[in-house]
Amino acid sequence: GAVVSQHPSRVICKSGTSVKIECRSLDFQATTMFWYRQFPKQSLMLMATSNEGSKATYEQGVEKDKFLINHASLTLSTLTVTSAHPEDSSFYICSAKQVRGSFTWDTQYFGPGTRLTVL
Amino acid sequence: DAKTTQPPSMDCAEGRAANLPCNHSTISGNEYVYWYRQIHSQGPQYIIHGLKNNETNEMASLIITEDRKSSTLILPHATLRDTAVYYCIVPPNSGGSNYKLTFGKGTLLTVNP
Repeated sequence: GAVVSQHPSRVICKSGTSVKIECRSLDFQATTMFWYRQFPKQSLMLMATSNEGSKATYEQGVEKDKFLINHASLTLSTLTVTSAHPEDSSFYICSAKQVRGSFTWDTQYFGPGTRLTVL
Repeated sequence: DAKTTQPPSMDCAEGRAANLPCNHSTISGNEYVYWYRQIHSQGPQYIIHGLKNNETNEMASLIITEDRKSSTLILPHATLRDTAVYYCIVPPNSGGSNYKLTFGKGTLLTVNP
């Protein structure tokens, strides 16, 4: 259980184009999903938190108009990188939080990541 | 946030137990200790978490000291596939329902044949 998928796993695009990355929770409902970015030899950096049916909350320094997040259902969140540039090339990873019944703690499960290369 | 301190790297022989330490001396009473690992070019994988008591699952055991200022993740029989970066994370407000994970540099565990 607790499987999170991402699509595509790898994408190469030209500078100036937009790229959409999907994140799905396959066997559970996720009221909250998170998007991270990881540059080579660095750790994961949280970009934004999205709650189903509401606007995403972006971390300081992350441009919300450039990284559009849509959390349309309890199993799907999308990240669109608009007008991508070479400096946006990175490993993008999503996670979904599984709420366990009435417990107040819960666990984030991560997708396999999407490697974006902007030429 | 409760800051965590981990050694940057460790080595372990295949088949042996791997013991990964983590210091979190500023942890608050209701904050959990989470462990994740990341194998190269993959998303992080949840391993285990705990509050006060020791925890065990099919992947690992988590030993938390009585004062909760440190913990040890134990992989009882390390295999080559356990080579990864291991992250010890203490999310603020993790006793509640809305918390964030902040990834530090973690410990690169290399399991040698």
